[in-house]
Amino acid sequence: DTGVSQDPRHKITKRGQNVTFRCDPISEHNRLYWYRQTLGQGPEFLTYFQNEAQLEKSRLLSDRFSAERPKGSFSTLEIQRTEQGDSAMYLCASSLYGIETQYFGPGTRLLVL
Amino acid sequence: ELKVEQNPLFLSMQEGKNYTIYCNYSTTSDRLYWYRQDPGKSLESLFVLLSNGAVKQEGRLMASLDTKARLSTLHITAAVHDLSATYFCAVNRDDKIIFGKGTRLHILP
Repeated sequence: DTGVSQDPRHKITKRGQNVTFRCDPISEHNRLYWYRQTLGQGPEFLTYFQNEAQLEKSRLLSDRFSAERPKGSFSTLEIQRTEQGDSAMYLCASSLYGIETQYFGPGTRLLVL
Repeated sequence: ELKVEQNPLFLSMQEGKNYTIYCNYSTTSDRLYWYRQDPGKSLESLFVLLSNGAVKQEGRLMASLDTKARLSTLHITAAVHDLSATYFCAVNRDDKIIFGKGTRLHILP
């Protein structure tokens, strides 16, 4: 499978715990995006990388959120001290700079109890 | 602040009918996207529109872009049940992609 993959697909955690999600983009794609989607809403942009550089970060991304793409390949999104309001689907997408289509992964569904 | 509004948010229609979903956006953008999402699934790219007057068609779906009016339309021709899904438009500005709330399309057999 050469598409975008995300791990885990589902995560249930207790409030206050830290969680980390992983995204593996399509191998030749140099851009990687993170979005959050809540029920009945469109995806909300969180952040994106071009290679290993984080170029844009939404105001939605509080200090508890951090994303990395250390070698310009896979990326991780960490949420510290989770809150119930963090419950959502976290989507990753990748694209090739100059070719505009974004390919989305299956998402990680987070439930904070 | 860039805003993207879709209309209608919910649409129930009979198979065989035609309909149009509208997407308005508030500031200039150089790219407009249409995506499809099935329940519990991720997003599938349908179209990317890059210039004023652009029109793209795939099967029963046709998307167009009017950058002067800041309006895109997604037209469905002779709808079939398999097209039931949520359709999102999204607009790019400064490499930030802003999505509308989606149009939930339900096609009745």
